[in-house]
Amino acid sequence: QQPVQSPQAVILREGEDAVINCSSSKALYSVHWYRQKHGEAPVFLMILLKGGEQKGHEKISASFNEKKQQSSLYLTASQLSYSGTYFCGTDAGGTSYGKLTFGQGTILTVHP
Amino acid sequence: DSGVTQTPKHLITATGQRVTLRCSPRSGDLSVYWYQQSLDQGLQFLIQYYNGEERAKGNILERFSAQQFPDLHSELNLSSLELGDSALYFCASSVAWGMTDTQYFGPGTRLTVL
Repeated sequence: QQPVQSPQAVILREGEDAVINCSSSKALYSVHWYRQKHGEAPVFLMILLKGGEQKGHEKISASFNEKKQQSSLYLTASQLSYSGTYFCGTDAGGTSYGKLTFGQGTILTVHP
Repeated sequence: DSGVTQTPKHLITATGQRVTLRCSPRSGDLSVYWYQQSLDQGLQFLIQYYNGEERAKGNILERFSAQQFPDLHSELNLSSLELGDSALYFCASSVAWGMTDTQYFGPGTRLTVL
């Protein structure tokens, strides 16, 4: 089942902060965050694993609440280059191991 | 540049036809994933191969098939094409097959079915 992202869209001015949330109805093994600019490929941002391990970019932070099956991506001091669509992909493990199910995306627009 | 290459970049074809999309993973990556992205369905996982073997399957239609060759490149075959198959098809690769591995996406193939 597809995870739900919120908000659907965010408009910021440079330097402002944003939080993007990803919520699943299933217990999760891992959450993956990607950013995609229009017409381009998704670019990896971060993986959060059950148990607390994280892998990703230094300037991006995120959290993973295993009990609530939720993850949040924190974008601080936003830059123009942060604009794009952010996707979370979830892996429920078990028989679903190896399959990433993506949310519908959150469109982030950063203005000067 | 992720290091994953996909050809062709654009493909325009007619309903009922068959096409083949090609993907070369990053050097050293053994896993290849195929995704379909359309406006109404979003980004959907189709299938994963690891070192030549199918590892995971998503919502891939029976008209679609894929394989990974000994040199690790992969092909996605789409047959009896319908208008609804028009989409952006991405290939991604990772070192191994676990979900702890980062997936690097290729630039995609835009398929238009007329």
